[in-house]
Amino acid sequence: LAKTTQPISMDSYEGQEVNITCSHNNIATNDYITWYQQFPSQGPRFIIQGYKTKVTNEVASLFIPADRKSSTLSLPRVSLSDTAVYYCLVGDAARQLTFGSGTQLTVLP
Amino acid sequence: DADVTQTPRNRITKTGKRIMLECSQTKGHDRMYWYRQDPGLGLRLIYYSFDVKDINKGEISDGYSVSRQAQAKFSLSLESAIPNQTALYFCATSRSGRASEQFFGPGTRLTVL
Repeated sequence: LAKTTQPISMDSYEGQEVNITCSHNNIATNDYITWYQQFPSQGPRFIIQGYKTKVTNEVASLFIPADRKSSTLSLPRVSLSDTAVYYCLVGDAARQLTFGSGTQLTVLP
Repeated sequence: DADVTQTPRNRITKTGKRIMLECSQTKGHDRMYWYRQDPGLGLRLIYYSFDVKDINKGEISDGYSVSRQAQAKFSLSLESAIPNQTALYFCATSRSGRASEQFFGPGTRLTVL
């Protein structure tokens, strides 16, 4: 099972770009990288998923270097409502079932 | 209407009682999961089911059992509740296939006294 390492917490200000990096040194060939967002007392919500290079959707971008041993979630111009816990998961199908402790992002006014 | 529903949303019970948490989904997904979350921690997998006839233990299955009554329903039981099972419980679903996105229910807050 690929282990992931993320910062425990990060602070940012409204309007700034936030980058959260996740390390996954033992990622397997078939593994995907997926990020979820969780607000207090709610279930996690899917943000973005990628396999290699760069993926972008309407809320975030995911940067994955060629060796795939890390990934960076980029949130453009954060707002107070982006304050949440962000989880990085690595795996495929049944193996992508470990959430870890996540990164608490606090957006300040 | 919510795609993934959980009942009850809150439950307080006593040590030794049998408790059932229910999960229903209207997404038509084959895969369903049960997680628990303790304060300040991430989610830990209890059981998962890839179809009605396929049920698998997760990281922390001791003290729990599950039943997949139909594609849309997946129940979690605590045979004899104990205080350290006090937690927030989430049900999730996903399509079949590699690395499919999971959709979570609103959670059940369980307190065991």
